[in-house]
Amino acid sequence: GIQVEQSPPDLILQEGANSTLRCNFSDSVNNLQWFHQNPWGQLINLFYIPSGTKQNGRLSATTVATERYSLLYISSSQTTDSGVYFCASGGGYQKVTFGTGTKLQVIP
Amino acid sequence: DSGVTQTPKHLITATGQRVTLRCSPRSGDLSVYWYQQSLDQGLQFLIQYYNGEERAKGNILERFSAQQFPDLHSELNLSSLELGDSALYFCASSGKIGTSGGEQFFGPGTRLTVL
Repeated sequence: GIQVEQSPPDLILQEGANSTLRCNFSDSVNNLQWFHQNPWGQLINLFYIPSGTKQNGRLSATTVATERYSLLYISSSQTTDSGVYFCASGGGYQKVTFGTGTKLQVIP
Repeated sequence: DSGVTQTPKHLITATGQRVTLRCSPRSGDLSVYWYQQSLDQGLQFLIQYYNGEERAKGNILERFSAQQFPDLHSELNLSSLELGDSALYFCASSGKIGTSGGEQFFGPGTRLTVL
């Protein structure tokens, strides 16, 4: 099945800093999504982005399906951004594969 | 609130027992997905149903089974429970009529503890 590699695995940011998280896929990307899992375990949708670029406030994402990667940008980070960020591909008739996640800690 | 509901929120049981987890998808969504999240395994896809039919299967153990009912709610049955089955179990839904796959929305999860 498809392999999903996320980097970096861990990230510590000072509040106000910017960061880029990356997902690399071993095969074609399908129904790509980014999620934020907050410290209470809730999985929150950030972007549904099979291709192209989307922005939502301080967050934006870009997927280059032909090169099998996706990027999540976080600007002006806040302590509430802390948690684990996952990307995932699949759905429809395909198995869903999640990346191993990037654990982000934003310190004041 | 994603619109996906899961019950119960917490479940504590003993090894060898059987439990049933329940999921109600968002209104209009035809697909239901089940996932297991344990500390050492990350988020693992178990199974997907679409309008009552199994559509894709992941790393689901033979001791586990699922089904989707005509009203589109789904149940995940876990039997002969082992300590290693302790995990957070998520349900997600997607796929209104005319779509394929699409954006998934997750429920709050059921935390299962096997003692």
